[in-house]
Amino acid sequence: GAGVSQSPSNKVTEKGKDVELRCDPISGHTALYWYRQSLGQGLEFLIYFQGNSAPDKSGLPSDRFSAERTGGSVSTLTIQRTQQEDSAVYLCASVRGGNSPLHFGNGTRLTVT
Amino acid sequence: AQKITQTQPGMFVQEKEAVTLDCTYDTSDQSYGLFWYKQPSSGEMIFLIYQGSYDEQNATEGRYSLNFQKARKSANLVISASQLGDSAMYFCAMREASGGYNKLIFGAGTRLAVHP
Repeated sequence: GAGVSQSPSNKVTEKGKDVELRCDPISGHTALYWYRQSLGQGLEFLIYFQGNSAPDKSGLPSDRFSAERTGGSVSTLTIQRTQQEDSAVYLCASVRGGNSPLHFGNGTRLTVT
Repeated sequence: AQKITQTQPGMFVQEKEAVTLDCTYDTSDQSYGLFWYKQPSSGEMIFLIYQGSYDEQNATEGRYSLNFQKARKSANLVISASQLGDSAMYFCAMREASGGYNKLIFGAGTRLAVHP
């Protein structure tokens, strides 16, 4: 597809379970971001990947959160031992580089019960 | 300190009128970029307009213009001739060179309601 693709679009999980969220960026985009958006709030930066450089993990809220990007393309955000406060929409975005705008996916709505 | 401040949680405007959404930012960098995004109730993030710190002219994209006042560190979005479809959340964001352009930091957003 032409845009950033995220899956699943919705995920309901029980507290304490692990979840994996997937992001397929736009082909040719060198950088990839993950953001979290709680209900009615702004976007909270989580992590950033740029090419083969070490990722900027400074926004990850705890060590239960991790992400990887394989082959410079697809990225997976993993949340271990989910908590209710992890409930949010997780947005992925990719960018060509420089000051180009970020292109966002439609997000994954995570609900932890 | 807040990097991006949007002081208007909610705004109302009559259809066909113009509206200004405020955004102030905090940076010590000389090189940075400012972005505005629209988020309708569907949740998608739609890029509207970009202003570079070295751009001398205010950015414009159709009905959107950015009132960039560098000395005041403000980057207000002006929407002319509002339409019902403009009702949405609007986010101001900044990317700084000192961060290696790693992070696009967002403000808390302004919810705009356009009334017929």
